[in-house]
Amino acid sequence: TQLLEQSPQFLSIQEGENLTVYCNSSSVFSSLQWYRQEPGEGPVLLVTVVTGGEVKKLKRLTFQFGDARKDSSLHITAAQTGDTGLYLCAGARGGSEKLVFGKGTKLTVNP
Amino acid sequence: GAGVSQSPSNKVTEKGKDVELRCDPISGHTALYWYRQSLGQGLEFLIYFQGNSAPDKSGLPSDRFSAERTGGSVSTLTIQRTQQEDSAVYLCASSPRWVSYEQYFGPGTRLTVT
Repeated sequence: TQLLEQSPQFLSIQEGENLTVYCNSSSVFSSLQWYRQEPGEGPVLLVTVVTGGEVKKLKRLTFQFGDARKDSSLHITAAQTGDTGLYLCAGARGGSEKLVFGKGTKLTVNP
Repeated sequence: GAGVSQSPSNKVTEKGKDVELRCDPISGHTALYWYRQSLGQGLEFLIYFQGNSAPDKSGLPSDRFSAERTGGSVSTLTIQRTQQEDSAVYLCASSPRWVSYEQYFGPGTRLTVT
């Protein structure tokens, strides 16, 4: 059973377009992180959200944590080729130090 | 550099051989995590260390897998009698806190078992 479901699995868009990727679960998480991973490298932490309904912005990236802390979304405005990569969401459940990862959304931004 | 380092970056081994993978966490980070990433499978948790002790070994797939951490720093993941299904990228991460809010990953070791 995959605790965190990410969609879409693959996304190919043109530079300048907007996009949203989703991370959904039936479980409640005490915090949720988004990472970006490029080929041959480890994931790099982008943001952590901990409060239901929380919205965080990182330049052109907007992250939202669902009110019930079961889901999250990542919205990218005016995508650039440098945004290409694998976007992973990961959740921490109360009392556990173990992060649960989704399978990721592979984003390709074409020039 | 100040990041998490892992060695070797690539390892090719024959089925049945033992391998050791090394992780050097960020200095001062008390928590250390090992994950396995297979194609299309996302990151699979293996084991977590707080200091030198491992409170959670629940992700180790079999008794062929073991890990240790010494001096609250370097960690070694050992796979005995490797099998082809062990082929994957093994990632190490460290965290500065008691909770896993922020994990900083190394570049990984790509293990290929032939």
